Amino acid sequence: ILNVEQSPQSLHVQEGDSTNFTCSFPSSNFYALHWYRWETAKSPEALFVMTLNGDEKKKGRISATLNTKEGYSYLYIKGSQPEDSATYLCAFSGGYQKVTFGIGTKLQVIP
Amino acid sequence: EAQVTQNPRYLITVTGKKLTVTCSQNMNHEYMSWYRQDPGLGLRQIYYSMNVEVTDKGDVPEGYKVSRKEKRNFPLILESPSPNQTSLYFCASSLSLAGNQETQYFGPGTRLLVL
Repeated sequence: ILNVEQSPQSLHVQEGDSTNFTCSFPSSNFYALHWYRWETAKSPEALFVMTLNGDEKKKGRISATLNTKEGYSYLYIKGSQPEDSATYLCAFSGGYQKVTFGIGTKLQVIP
Repeated sequence: EAQVTQNPRYLITVTGKKLTVTCSQNMNHEYMSWYRQDPGLGLRQIYYSMNVEVTDKGDVPEGYKVSRKEKRNFPLILESPSPNQTSLYFCASSLSLAGNQETQYFGPGTRLLVL
């Protein structure tokens, strides 16, 4: 089983603060890195899929970067809002059609 | 509306009583997958399917079976459930045969309790 690690496991920030978290994954046999947003009592929803080293993706106040050579991706949230409170999951695809998820970073934005 | 549906949403059963959790998608997706979610362990892949009649094991396949007779359906079968299969189960699908390249769409989840 591949090792996909996310840090921190949980995070509390004040409304308006910017924050970021990390996903680390194996640097060999890389196919894609996915980020998902998972709100309590709902299903995970896709944020980004990144496939190339150096990829940067942005959706509103949320952005992500990818470094496949060193095996990490960062997710950034600018000006956090209470509605950003959720668990953010990364998922690594390394071939053979398998997908390995990290445990997630649980973000709580305090109004 | 494009969606992945799962049934039932909640299920309480007893050890050894065979059960099936259904999963259906209406997006003509080729790739489908089952995951289980346990506290502290994240989402773990049970089985996946790249197309009709093509299935393969994920990281935690023991105690589960799947079938893919039609493109839209991917049921998860527990032949003899045990308490360690108590979990939250998600079905997901994606468009591409290379599911690892495409975003997955998740069903609403099935919460299973095995007594």
